[in-house]
Amino acid sequence: KNEVEQSPQNLTAQEGEFITINCSYSVGISALHWLQQHPGGGIVSLFMLSSGKKKHGRLIATINIQEKHSSLHITASHPRDSAVYICPVWGVASNAGGTSYGKLTFGQGTILTVHP
Amino acid sequence: EPEVTQTPSHQVTQMGQEVILRCVPISNHLYFYWYRQILGQKVEFLVSFYNNEISEKSEIFDDQFSVERPDGSNFTLKIRSTKLEDSAMYFCASTTDFFSNQPQHFGDGTRLSIL
Repeated sequence: KNEVEQSPQNLTAQEGEFITINCSYSVGISALHWLQQHPGGGIVSLFMLSSGKKKHGRLIATINIQEKHSSLHITASHPRDSAVYICPVWGVASNAGGTSYGKLTFGQGTILTVHP
Repeated sequence: EPEVTQTPSHQVTQMGQEVILRCVPISNHLYFYWYRQILGQKVEFLVSFYNNEISEKSEIFDDQFSVERPDGSNFTLKIRSTKLEDSAMYFCASTTDFFSNQPQHFGDGTRLSIL
């Protein structure tokens, strides 16, 4: 079982629709990222969450630590939102030398296509 | 807004050759990372670096790989003897403070093609 699983894997929407992308994880985490990867490959950080909810413009991210689940919502979707959305989790793992810093574990991502 | 910059954007190298990928993290950041993404696959963690030493590395990061912060601004990833399967997009990232959960800032990546 993958440590981070996203659903759906592919999502197609019409412009203006409300979109939800889900992320579940099986490991203990200290925080979760939502990233957007554009068709050209560049990665943009959208949110960093350790609890509750964050909002930025048309984007809303929530996390439930007890249920090990996070959602990314996009309101009034637009074709420029078309991208791959990824939710790597930020775990803290001990190694022989002590605590490690910031290893991100990635899921496969959700490919979002918004049609005009 | 400050950015993480990576050079070159595309590197083509013969199999068996050494390659160095360069990154300039954001200037006040203290934690540095390399990730790779093989075409069509998910992003994978390679290594994290803090206080001039490797903090954690994945099983991918074998003896062929090394990282260095040769001066106050650059952070490099070296692959000693490249293999065909090293062809991927390599992303550098940095963050200012892990313990306050600051987001990682990513560079645009270097596409490495091994011939």
